[in-house]
Amino acid sequence: AAGVIQSPRHLIKEKRETATLKCYPIPRHDTVYWYQQGPGQDPQFLISFYEKMQSDKGSIPDRFSAQQFSDYHSELNMSSLELGDSALYFCASSLGGKSQPQHFGDGTRLSIL
Amino acid sequence: KNQVEQSPQSLIILEGKNCTLQCNYTVSPFSNLRWYKQDTGRGPVSLTIMTFSENTKSNGRYTATLDADTKQSSLHITASQLSDSASYICVVSATGTASKLTFGTGTRLQVTL
Repeated sequence: AAGVIQSPRHLIKEKRETATLKCYPIPRHDTVYWYQQGPGQDPQFLISFYEKMQSDKGSIPDRFSAQQFSDYHSELNMSSLELGDSALYFCASSLGGKSQPQHFGDGTRLSIL
Repeated sequence: KNQVEQSPQSLIILEGKNCTLQCNYTVSPFSNLRWYKQDTGRGPVSLTIMTFSENTKSNGRYTATLDADTKQSSLHITASQLSDSASYICVVSATGTASKLTFGTGTRLQVTL
């Protein structure tokens, strides 16, 4: 079965650069979530989209922005990168509903030098 | 403050043995509780999702229980296999905040020969 696809799997950037992470949800899923997981930390919710509209916002820095496109894929744009942004960024998708499981991608590992 | 606590932090068991992981939460108002398995470097994979009215749910060798009165859940793994070695994360969702999941600290399980 198709899963959530994230790209790239690994990304290395320098401080103050920008990065764009992409997420392709499971086909027909209408909701996308972004999480940030620091080393040894729990995933922290950043932001979510339902039917291309932002549905909820968590601890996403102002330097980050995200959107969901007409084909339901989502992109997380990160600017003025800082060392502390080094983390694993997960995308999850679901078919709406509060009780529907979120299916996670394998994440993008972002390293800031 | 919504919190999810898991115990033990880590566990080593022999292949073929059973084990039980615990999860206590203070998330309110409660919507649902999920157990995820996370292999190192991979995204969390949903094992079970339980709502208020459900007190047990099985998925193969995994059986989750929920006591909404005491706000406790357990994940029982039967006849463990080497591939069960992973982190098991308890995640609780509050009503009205579909995107805001509260993650537990996880239990790192190692199954050995």
